[in-house]
Amino acid sequence: DTVLTQSPALAVSPGERVTISCRASESVSTLMHWYQQKPGQQPTLLIYLASNLESGVPARFSGSGSGTDFTLTIDPVEADDTATYYCQQSWNDPWTFGGGTKLELK
Amino acid sequence: QIQLVQSGPELKKPGESVKISCKASGYTFTDYAMHWVKQAPGKGLKWMGWINTYTGKPTYADDFKGRFVFSLEASASTANLQISNLKNEDTATYFCARLRIAAISSYVMDAWGQGASVTVSS
Repeated sequence: DTVLTQSPALAVSPGERVTISCRASESVSTLMHWYQQKPGQQPTLLIYLASNLESGVPARFSGSGSGTDFTLTIDPVEADDTATYYCQQSWNDPWTFGGGTKLELK
Repeated sequence: QIQLVQSGPELKKPGESVKISCKASGYTFTDYAMHWVKQAPGKGLKWMGWINTYTGKPTYADDFKGRFVFSLEASASTANLQISNLKNEDTATYFCARLRIAAISSYVMDAWGQGASVTVSS
């Protein structure tokens, strides 16, 4: 299975820029997607195909990468962005998720 | 607007069965596949597989072959997940998620149900 590795947690101050990384154990081309999950809620799609902003998602969110290294950037971070962020690949079967990065605001 | 509404929380004993439903609205049900994702308490997301809502054909990830069954009530725009012979490790929230085409031969889970909690305890 394709293993996606994310840093477990990050803490930033509102107004700062934050990058969340996701490294794949093998190439996933650009079939990487990012989700935001707030406590007690379902995941919501932020970025699809590595760099495409989902409709309705603020332009503060952006994504980049291809192959094995991917990044989700939030600039500037707002208080409402406190959540866990997951990357997910759909290139290799089975589809897999990263372990999640918990973003906390200082 | 697109909505996926899942059934309520379930408390079951080991060895029992449970059926979770996911009712879709706001789009043509049979035009989009439905995926299922498991989230154990305090843990991350795990992809379980999917069902073709046009043909009814299910596909299961290896860890979910045997006791897990995806099914449809297409006339009711509903997808179901049934788990038999429940074990303690099945305690989790189960999400349904609609699959949308993102590009040629590329798909993404773009809308999710609110989750259905299953607790297995003796």
